[in-house]
Amino acid sequence: KQEVTQIPAALSVPEGENLVLNCSFTDSAIYNLQWFRQDPGKGLTSLLLIQSSQREQTSGRLNASLDKSSGRSTLYIAASQPGDSATYLCAVRPVTGRRALTFGSGTRLQVQP
Amino acid sequence: SQTIHQWPATLVQPVGSPLSLECTVEGTSNPNLYWYRQAAGRGLQLLFYSVGIGQISSEVPQNLSASRPQDRQFILSSKKLLLSDSGFYLCAWSGGEATGELFFGEGSRLTVL
Repeated sequence: KQEVTQIPAALSVPEGENLVLNCSFTDSAIYNLQWFRQDPGKGLTSLLLIQSSQREQTSGRLNASLDKSSGRSTLYIAASQPGDSATYLCAVRPVTGRRALTFGSGTRLQVQP
Repeated sequence: SQTIHQWPATLVQPVGSPLSLECTVEGTSNPNLYWYRQAAGRGLQLLFYSVGIGQISSEVPQNLSASRPQDRQFILSSKKLLLSDSGFYLCAWSGGEATGELFFGEGSRLTVL
């Protein structure tokens, strides 16, 4: 059974810092990995999708990397802003079976102005 | 562009009452549709997914059911709500391929009293 772990569970940083969020998964047989952002009381917003054949994806100040063999992904946020404060979740889609995503519990990020 | 709508956004219901949450997707055809639940302090739990009209797969035994009467409509129902049904319900869709990016609606907050 696939398990997804995100560390740390919470993170507080001053504005302007570069930061890294970690995601690990136990079964490396994945189709893709997706990073989401969730603001309080809201739905999830897709940030980046990395296919299993890719090593990284970039969007603006965000960069996500994938090391499938070691079961790890990182989300790098450059020059953090207070507007980046949210919960960040990663999720993996397996190669076989029902192929629905398995989610981590998220990292709650607070960027202090 | 594709959009996903969920309603109602907030719902307070007594124990034993029925439930109907609706989700519609616009701008795409034959999407895969999903219902997730996010309980306080817990991760996202997949409840149901559908790959086509009338095709519903249930992930966990529970007090809920789902239906897909039209290609882009997904409904979550219950005949009699339990206290444990309280939570944040999220509808999501992905493209017809099994490995596509997942997009979420804004969510429906259900409180059962």
